[in-house]
Amino acid sequence: QSVLTQPPSVSGAPGQRVTISCTGSSSNIGAGYDVHWYQQFPGTAPKLLIYGNTNRPSGVPDRFSGSKSGTSASLAIAGLQAEDEANYYCHSHDSSLGGSGVFGGGTKLTVL
Amino acid sequence: QVQLVQSGAEVKKPGASVKVSCKASGYTLTDHYIHWVRQAPGQGLEWMGWINPNNGGTNYAEKFQDWVTMTSDASISTAYMDLRNLRSGDTALYYCARTILQGAGTYGLDVWGQGTPVTVSS
Repeated sequence: QSVLTQPPSVSGAPGQRVTISCTGSSSNIGAGYDVHWYQQFPGTAPKLLIYGNTNRPSGVPDRFSGSKSGTSASLAIAGLQAEDEANYYCHSHDSSLGGSGVFGGGTKLTVL
Repeated sequence: QVQLVQSGAEVKKPGASVKVSCKASGYTLTDHYIHWVRQAPGQGLEWMGWINPNNGGTNYAEKFQDWVTMTSDASISTAYMDLRNLRSGDTALYYCARTILQGAGTYGLDVWGQGTPVTVSS
């Protein structure tokens, strides 16, 4: 059981907008720790999509956006493309664990 | 080009130790924290800990406290993760990754190594 909860799967048609939630608690997201998001294709290392809740590293399309509110965060993907089909993970830290890092369980995005 | 290059695949027997290296290039190792993350076959990402290569400070996940050691050698721009008393459940792909920003361990991870497969089998 992950400290950060993500839906196991989401799906959407090309061109649609989908969101992936990441639910935490008052000791992690709610404590003010930033949330980061990664995209991972099978057999490859994760790629940073969003850092510090809302920031995109250079090279990440602006179709990807992040938000945070209270004890939860979300990753939104607009204008869904077939190449977006991948696993997505949220990442934060937790004060009840001595500031240790925590990952969500991951969400498989399927493009219909 | 900023990159992290990890050591090669390892096969170990239960009870053995493994030491994975992570060599940084294109930037100064001591400027960014290095995290270690593992991924068991078909599973999600699991955070193991970080090291601040500037001063050797570490923060380990509670689960790994007693059997992992993270170190670094700035002279050769390399970080290491040493895992002891291996069990079959430690079979996984081990990644090192650096924080995107300097100064703290809580930032996102923007550069990842290619991963080191570790297989634990008798």
